[in-house]
Amino acid sequence: EIVMTQSPATLSVSPGDRVTLSCRASQSVTSKLTWYQHRPGQAPRLLIYDTSTRATGIPARFSGSGSGTEFTLTISGLQSEDFAVYYCHQFHKWPLTFGGGTKVEIK
Amino acid sequence: EVQVLESGGGLVQPGGSLRLSCAASRFAFSTYAMTWVRQAPGKGLEWISTLSGSAANIYYADSVQGRFTISRDNSKNTLYLQMNSLRAEDTAIYYCAKNSGVSYGVFDIWGQGTMVTVSS
Repeated sequence: EIVMTQSPATLSVSPGDRVTLSCRASQSVTSKLTWYQHRPGQAPRLLIYDTSTRATGIPARFSGSGSGTEFTLTISGLQSEDFAVYYCHQFHKWPLTFGGGTKVEIK
Repeated sequence: EVQVLESGGGLVQPGGSLRLSCAASRFAFSTYAMTWVRQAPGKGLEWISTLSGSAANIYYADSVQGRFTISRDNSKNTLYLQMNSLRAEDTAIYYCAKNSGVSYGVFDIWGQGTMVTVSS
């Protein structure tokens, strides 16, 4: 099983900040990496797939990069609705696996 | 609006069974693979199972293999998860997700989830 490790577990930031979330895979997942946003009480939301492609309707302030085992999600100009938990997820090999999540909270 | 809606959650005793349903609307259901993902209280997301559009390809997480069965009725636009031999650690919100046409692993539409509590 490919283990996905996200860091940090929690990020305390202010609106308008630029934030970078990290995700590391225990082995290469090539570019088969997605990012999801999950607000409390809501359905998870697809942000980024194939490492760097924004899903339909996702603002340009969200961007993804990386390859192999190291990936990042960057949010430029954090807005109030962006405070949430973010999960990376690999679909290179079964079983599919998620990272433990990074909680982005208001400082 | 494209959407999926889960139902069937509830309280069940350890060792018991429960069947979850996921009703899909406004997309060509039989064309897309569908997936179940769960979130235990205070924990992260955990992939459970994926079923291809034709039901020919089925995948399970080790944690549920042999106890859970995923299925679909394309005539009713509905996905199911039959859960048997339930354990306390199966307590979670269960989400249904539509896979995008790109691959099995991209979940572009999610439901609001249904809560399953396994307790005596």
